[in-house]
Amino acid sequence: DAGVIQSPRHEVTEMGQEVTLRCKPISGHDYLFWYRQTMMRGLELLIYFNNNVPIDDSGMPEDRFSAKMPNASFSTLKIQPSEPRDSAVYFCASSDRRGAKNIQYFGAGTRLSVL
Amino acid sequence: KNEVEQSPQNLTAQEGEFITINCSYSVGISALHWLQQHPGGGIVSLFMLSSGKKKHGRLIATINIQEKHSSLHITASHPRDSAVYICAVGGGSNYKLTFGKGTLLTVNP
Repeated sequence: DAGVIQSPRHEVTEMGQEVTLRCKPISGHDYLFWYRQTMMRGLELLIYFNNNVPIDDSGMPEDRFSAKMPNASFSTLKIQPSEPRDSAVYFCASSDRRGAKNIQYFGAGTRLSVL
Repeated sequence: KNEVEQSPQNLTAQEGEFITINCSYSVGISALHWLQQHPGGGIVSLFMLSSGKKKHGRLIATINIQEKHSSLHITASHPRDSAVYICAVGGGSNYKLTFGKGTLLTVNP
């Protein structure tokens, strides 16, 4: 398997623009997580899905952030409008609970810079 | 909310030295994870444990549930072990992880 695939790897945008980050989880995994990593706060869970359904979005910082998982092989994290403080590395991870593994496999991340 | 504290924040060692990184948390958990993040940014899960000890190659992870404490040990450290090591704990559902700030390990040849 190719692992968790995120795109783009790098995104530079201007304040106020819409940003869409994409994630393809490992095939067969039923959990998908979106994280944000900053120097100040480290890794933080934003939202996670189980079988395409959002389970906990309490980490989403505000209404400007939204996440969807239209099918088992694709998820998006959207920021609209973007602000400079959204600059961070955003990671997607997937997990297979059915094997009781609970190991999360991370994508390479998207480095977002909002100018 | 669970508070996760790692120590030390930074650690520099000479090749071959025995390394210990510590992680303490404030609330009872169902599992603890150790992750490794290389300078390129990629994150890899090293261990998930809920009791006792696990070993993988030169890496050993231990957890003491009563003390709410875990340690990650690296034996015969090597420059390729240089990375940020992150501790994360899971609550009742075990899916929602709370992360420590990480320990930056540098192993010099």
